[in-house]
Amino acid sequence: GAGVSQSPRYKVAKRGQDVALRCDPISGHVSLFWYQQALGQGPEFLTYFQNEAQLDKSGLPSDRFFAERPEGSVSTLKIQRTQQEDSAVYLCASSSGRNEKLFFGSGTQLSVL
Amino acid sequence: QKEVEQNSGPLSVPEGAIASLNCTYSDRGSQSFFWYRQYSGKSPELIMFIYSNGDKEDGRFTAQLNKASQYVSLLIRDSQPSDSATYLCAVNYSGNTGKLIFGQGTTLQVKP
Repeated sequence: GAGVSQSPRYKVAKRGQDVALRCDPISGHVSLFWYQQALGQGPEFLTYFQNEAQLDKSGLPSDRFFAERPEGSVSTLKIQRTQQEDSAVYLCASSSGRNEKLFFGSGTQLSVL
Repeated sequence: QKEVEQNSGPLSVPEGAIASLNCTYSDRGSQSFFWYRQYSGKSPELIMFIYSNGDKEDGRFTAQLNKASQYVSLLIRDSQPSDSATYLCAVNYSGNTGKLIFGQGTTLQVKP
């Protein structure tokens, strides 16, 4: 595709509900990243995939957060039993893998009530 | 803990002036440095990157890096109202990956 595509654009969840956020990276990009951006803050790294392998998940804030990229293309970030502090914009980014130039998607704004 | 610090602003400059945005980082092992622009409600967009000490120019933008002082800056010449956005400084500590540490961003307002 022309760019990184994320869906849904907005998600409202009740506290305790599970959510799944989708990222479709730029075609051919081997590296995929998830970031979390709280209001008024810079993005914070969550996790990184190279193809289907999750090479770094050090930024996931708790075991309620889980990410996968089973076929090395589309990725899903799942948050179980959502809490109010999970409210943020979740950004997906991809790169060709040869450098760190990230291309970000438009993000999913998650609001947990 | 690795940190990237920016003044949140807002930084207000008149149209046509030079805007100077600054960033400091904590880890001397940092390898590469990036400036992203983020319009309100939009995703970050890479505008400059720099790896070596000194200046790097691209159009109206100049990135400056001083590793001894752990300082990186972005100059925007001939500022335009369309430059009004939040500018995020980001640092890579871990080699050739996109694992970046971002500052909180500086909001720039360019007034006509």
